[in-house]
Amino acid sequence: GAVVSQHPSWVICKSGTSVKIECRSLDFQATTMFWYRQFPKQSLMLMATSNEGSKATYEQGVEKDKFLINHASLTLSTLTVTSAHPEDSSFYICSASSGGPADGNEQFFGPGTRLTVL
Amino acid sequence: GDSVTQMEGPVTLSEEAFLTINCTYTATGYPSLFWYVQYPGEGLQLLLKATKADDKGSNKGFEATYRKETTSFHLEKGSVQVSDSAVYFCALRKGAHTGGFKTIFGAGTRLFVKA
Repeated sequence: GAVVSQHPSWVICKSGTSVKIECRSLDFQATTMFWYRQFPKQSLMLMATSNEGSKATYEQGVEKDKFLINHASLTLSTLTVTSAHPEDSSFYICSASSGGPADGNEQFFGPGTRLTVL
Repeated sequence: GDSVTQMEGPVTLSEEAFLTINCTYTATGYPSLFWYVQYPGEGLQLLLKATKADDKGSNKGFEATYRKETTSFHLEKGSVQVSDSAVYFCALRKGAHTGGFKTIFGAGTRLFVKA
């Protein structure tokens, strides 16, 4: 099946710094990418949806100025956590889809990035 | 709003035991239903899906039937193996015609299978 990679797989940073997480579709073109956040023993919560070349659509309650999403190409999306604080510590997962907004278009998930903010 | 509820884990079974992981959903419209599996250190993988009522999804010995009357999509396997140890996520997705291309996940159920 299609492969999605994330980099880094884990990162530790100091409070107040910014962290960039990359999500790449390795063998297909991803017209749509999704960013999720997962707290321990909880569901994956959708943060935002991005389409290549356009602005991301953020879910209610997600600060767009704090979580900057760039989907500059059909194989790369980045999530930047700006001025990170300990409450931003979480597991961030991206997924990618080659299709449009229709049922049945499979999403392929990356392995996740664990962010720890000290 | 739309939501997915699945049984809390962890679930611990002996090899060759029967597995059921319950999943119920709340959604407007006609969502598609999915089970994803996450093995240690890996990303989520699609295990099976069903796109309309009474459909049965099946893969690798796992199966689940889309029950609209009970809003359920329970995952079953007749004989589990140690290699089935993983976290299982139930999810729903609605298409553009019903409000957007979003996947909503349950909390996940961790399965341990003992030899």
